[in-house]
Amino acid sequence: DQQVKQNSPSLSVQEGRISILNCDYTNSMFDYFLWYKKYPAEGPTFLISISSIKDKNEDGRFTVFLNKSAKHLSLHIVPSQPGDSAVYFCAASGTASKLTFGTGTRLQVTL
Amino acid sequence: EPEVTQTPSHQVTQMGQEVILRCVPISNHLYFYWYRQILGQKVEFLVSFYNNEISEKSEIFDDQFSVERPDGSNFTLKIRSTKLEDSAMYFCASSGQGFGNEKLFFGSGTQLSVL
Repeated sequence: DQQVKQNSPSLSVQEGRISILNCDYTNSMFDYFLWYKKYPAEGPTFLISISSIKDKNEDGRFTVFLNKSAKHLSLHIVPSQPGDSAVYFCAASGTASKLTFGTGTRLQVTL
Repeated sequence: EPEVTQTPSHQVTQMGQEVILRCVPISNHLYFYWYRQILGQKVEFLVSFYNNEISEKSEIFDDQFSVERPDGSNFTLKIRSTKLEDSAMYFCASSGQGFGNEKLFFGSGTQLSVL
């Protein structure tokens, strides 16, 4: 059951450049899409979300884009900072807050 | 920021033994969850809990699993007879309203190792 997929297990980006993390989903019944960040030995922490009725949501350096027709979303981080190095999980939910997670993308921001 | 607290951080047990994983959700939250992550795999939903009963559970959450809110602060996950494949990081989470766009607050997890 791979309703939410993150096809890139890892990504390396230079500090100051843009990081783009991608996510695809198959279930058209999802109402919300969320990104969580996870550092080692910690639980996931919420980063940003978007409703299925929107195509963009921005919060500081983080922007999430949603393309419903393609069932694709992406997280843009600009400019990337070394502290952004973590595993990023895409997640989706319906009307209730049960989350379906992707497999995660490990982002490394290099100096 | 308020935190979800999980204990213990590591638990080692023998196959067939019972384990109880403990969580203290954020105090004014009403919805509680358990997720788990097997090494190298995605974070998977186990169960959600509201108003002292299970509101949803996954196919992973079979009869060997149970959850309880024994008092006003703790939320526990019990595995009655552990199997090797139960080895995973178990995350507790809580949210205020249970809406789909609401962020969940996760604890730091309990690493369960079944030998």
